[in-house]
Amino acid sequence: EDKVVQSPLSLVVHEGDTVTLNCSYEVTNFRSLLWYKQEKKAPTFLFMLTSSGIEKKSGRLSSILDKKELFSILNITATQTGDSAIYLCAVERNDMRFGAGTRLTVKP
Amino acid sequence: SAVISQKPSRDICQRGTSLTIQCQVDSQVTMMFWYRQQPGQSLTLIATANQGSEATYESGFVIDKFPISRPNLTFSTLTVSNMSPEDSSIYLCSVEEGGAFFGQGTRLTVV
Repeated sequence: EDKVVQSPLSLVVHEGDTVTLNCSYEVTNFRSLLWYKQEKKAPTFLFMLTSSGIEKKSGRLSSILDKKELFSILNITATQTGDSAIYLCAVERNDMRFGAGTRLTVKP
Repeated sequence: SAVISQKPSRDICQRGTSLTIQCQVDSQVTMMFWYRQQPGQSLTLIATANQGSEATYESGFVIDKFPISRPNLTFSTLTVSNMSPEDSSIYLCSVEEGGAFFGQGTRLTVV
């Protein structure tokens, strides 16, 4: 059965810390892996990863995919309170399968 | 990226009634998706809506409870029928064009 597993489910850090969020998957017909940030209702897009070993970077956020080991990580450096959110990992097949999310809380 | 307008943004409904959620996309898309996010849980796909054919429902979701319309390539509706408090949730429509893009979501509370 296809699955997308994120860890940890929740994380509390202090401003300035670096965090690593994990996403492992087992799916058929893999097309891409995507990361989203969800603060209110609708998730906002962060990254789409299709190739192994190529890091995608946007400011303090970066992500990489390992298609051999079937996982991805999302790194956030120098965290800020505005980074507090749920981070969702999704795998695109013919549809999208979402992980349960990691709830990140950044304390001042 | 597609721009998706979803409404209503929120509603409080009496049990036993129905609510129809609308989703308008600014471009023509083949497939639209409807998700539910219950409190404390992740996004769960309800159904895939193709224009000109019946929606395809995921396990645990049925057409009688969640009828979907897809009259053209830019519009879809999801109806939550005969609501109960367990239907209280955020409902999201989505299109996929190199990644999923979401409507603003509808926060439904059933009392």
